[in-house]
Amino acid sequence: GAGVSQSPRYKVAKRGQDVALRCDPISGHVSLFWYQQALGQGPEFLTYFQNEAQLDKSGLPSDRFFAERPEGSVSTLKIQRTQQEDSAVYLCASSFSSGTGSFSGANVLTFGAGSRLTVL
Amino acid sequence: QKEVEQDPGPLSVPEGAIVSLNCTYSNSAFQYFMWYRQYSRKGPELLMYTYSSGNKEDGRFTAQVDKSSKYISLFIRDSQPSDSATYLCAMRWDKIIFGKGTRLHILP
Repeated sequence: GAGVSQSPRYKVAKRGQDVALRCDPISGHVSLFWYQQALGQGPEFLTYFQNEAQLDKSGLPSDRFFAERPEGSVSTLKIQRTQQEDSAVYLCASSFSSGTGSFSGANVLTFGAGSRLTVL
Repeated sequence: QKEVEQDPGPLSVPEGAIVSLNCTYSNSAFQYFMWYRQYSRKGPELLMYTYSSGNKEDGRFTAQVDKSSKYISLFIRDSQPSDSATYLCAMRWDKIIFGKGTRLHILP
């Protein structure tokens, strides 16, 4: 596609519900990142995939957060037993080449518009 | 202390003014420095990136990096109302770390 597509754009969940957020990266992009952006804050790194391999999940805040990218394209971020502090915008970004090593235009991140999660 | 510090603003300037946005950082391992612009309810979009100390120009935008002081700046010349957005500095070592963002308002 022309850009990174995320769905749903808006999600309201009751505390304790499970949610799943989808990211459809730019076709052919190898790297995929998830970020969490709380109100008035910058994006905080959650996890990183290179193709289907999850190479870094050090930013996931708890074991309630789980991400997958089984076929190396679409990715899903799942949050189990949602809490109010999970309310944030979840941003997905992709890049053509790997996210490590020397930096070039090929590993510039293209972000989606985000999924805004509100936990009541 | 966070790895990247950025004044959240808001910063309001009249149209046509020169805007100066700044970030400081603490991790000397950061190698690449970026500025992103984020409009309301949109994802961040990359404006500029650089990896060396000094200045880099792109149209009305100039990015400046001073690694000795761990300080980076973005200057916007001839500011326009369409420049009103949140500007995020970002730095990369192994992963990209973002500042909080500065909300900028250009007043017509």
